[in-house]
Amino acid sequence: GQQVMQIPQYQHVQEGEDFTTYCNSSTTLSNIQWYKQRPGGHPVFLIQLVKSGEVKKQKRLTFQFGEAKKNSSLHITATQTTDVGTYFCAGRFTGGGNKLTFGTGTQLKVEL
Amino acid sequence: EAQVTQNPRYLITVTGKKLTVTCSQNMNHEYMSWYRQDPGLGLRQIYYSMNVEVTDKGDVPEGYKVSRKEKRNFPLILESPSPNQTSLYFCASSVGPKGYTEAFFGQGTRLTVV
Repeated sequence: GQQVMQIPQYQHVQEGEDFTTYCNSSTTLSNIQWYKQRPGGHPVFLIQLVKSGEVKKQKRLTFQFGEAKKNSSLHITATQTTDVGTYFCAGRFTGGGNKLTFGTGTQLKVEL
Repeated sequence: EAQVTQNPRYLITVTGKKLTVTCSQNMNHEYMSWYRQDPGLGLRQIYYSMNVEVTDKGDVPEGYKVSRKEKRNFPLILESPSPNQTSLYFCASSVGPKGYTEAFFGQGTRLTVV
């Protein structure tokens, strides 16, 4: 079946360091979304990318969608303890309707 | 307040005892789905519904049933739960099948089957 791979599975950083998580699909995505799940919480929508090569920023977070629409990344500059949680990408495959296929997630821990 | 409400939040049950996890949304969304979350596997879709009386299997439907008799409700039914269904379950809703919008998630139901 169609899958979205996400790496790394875990990332442990010192506060102030940067963080990046990557998603890759074997087939073209019509769009991709990113979600954050705080420990003990539920996934919360961050952003959606639709266009090839699209880059969007939310304060210290930068989201990119690859030119071929098969990969995406989330980069956090100067992490803070409030960034702790698991970050998921979720892609919609062309012809897949509204179905979201989630990546396996990257769990971020931030140490003071 | 726009929200997706799941109940119960926590449930411990025994193998074979039928149970239902309820899900309700107040946003008039057409599309609803159920996911299970397991360590290292992310969120996997169990079932989804594109509208009232329209449901279909997701990636891991075995051992589950759903129904969509009203737009706002989408219960998940485990007719004969087994220990491998111990997991964290999330219900989610979004506007509609052709609207590529965000998914709103419920608070989750942590199910343990012993």
